[in-house]
Amino acid sequence: DGGITQSPKYLFRKEGQNVTLSCEQNLNHDAMYWYRQDPGQGLRLIYYSQIVNDFQKGDIAEGYSVSREKKESFPLTVTSAQKNPTAFYLCASSIEEGQKRFFGSGTQLSVL
Amino acid sequence: DQQVKQNSPSLSVQEGRISILNCDYTNSMFDYFLWYKKYPAEGPTFLISISSIKDKNEDGRFTVFLNKSAKHLSLHIVPSQPGDSAVYFCAATRSGNTPLVFGKGTRLSVIA
Repeated sequence: DGGITQSPKYLFRKEGQNVTLSCEQNLNHDAMYWYRQDPGQGLRLIYYSQIVNDFQKGDIAEGYSVSREKKESFPLTVTSAQKNPTAFYLCASSIEEGQKRFFGSGTQLSVL
Repeated sequence: DQQVKQNSPSLSVQEGRISILNCDYTNSMFDYFLWYKKYPAEGPTFLISISSIKDKNEDGRFTVFLNKSAKHLSLHIVPSQPGDSAVYFCAATRSGNTPLVFGKGTRLSVIA
């Protein structure tokens, strides 16, 4: 079955620690996106990549980093510079045709 | 500045009646609009979309209406069912693999 896989489902971060959230897709989609959801808020864009080895900052990129070395993978690192990392993180992918975005099941990140 | 606004945080509807969820946007460059349904701790699932060249799109119980002059769209669910209870996000984008811009969501409760 084709889809987007996010792991882990739950993640805990200690103060000063970097953590990496995984996102893998086997849909052969060119574009991939990372969003963050806070309670009562919409989904806010962190980073996106329209092609391998290229990515752009979204609205709230500070304290985050990404890489896109392979078409299938778009990992997100939450660095120690992100002072309020507790949130639900969603990865998505798309092809230009049809404009739909397909989402993973999300990762809940909490600070210990 | 919010480019996509869902001004009603919540909506309660009796089972069998019509649910109407509203969305306004400010960016006239948006030409494609989508509605997503989301349960807690899960990724959003695509419901229905509409291109700016249309003013209506229907899929089963779901219909989306677009009023470009008013920069307004709405999602109609008829008849509403208890399983429709979820948070509904309106999203907008421009042509190409550009990121979706989301509203803050409306929590729909369908009461049996």
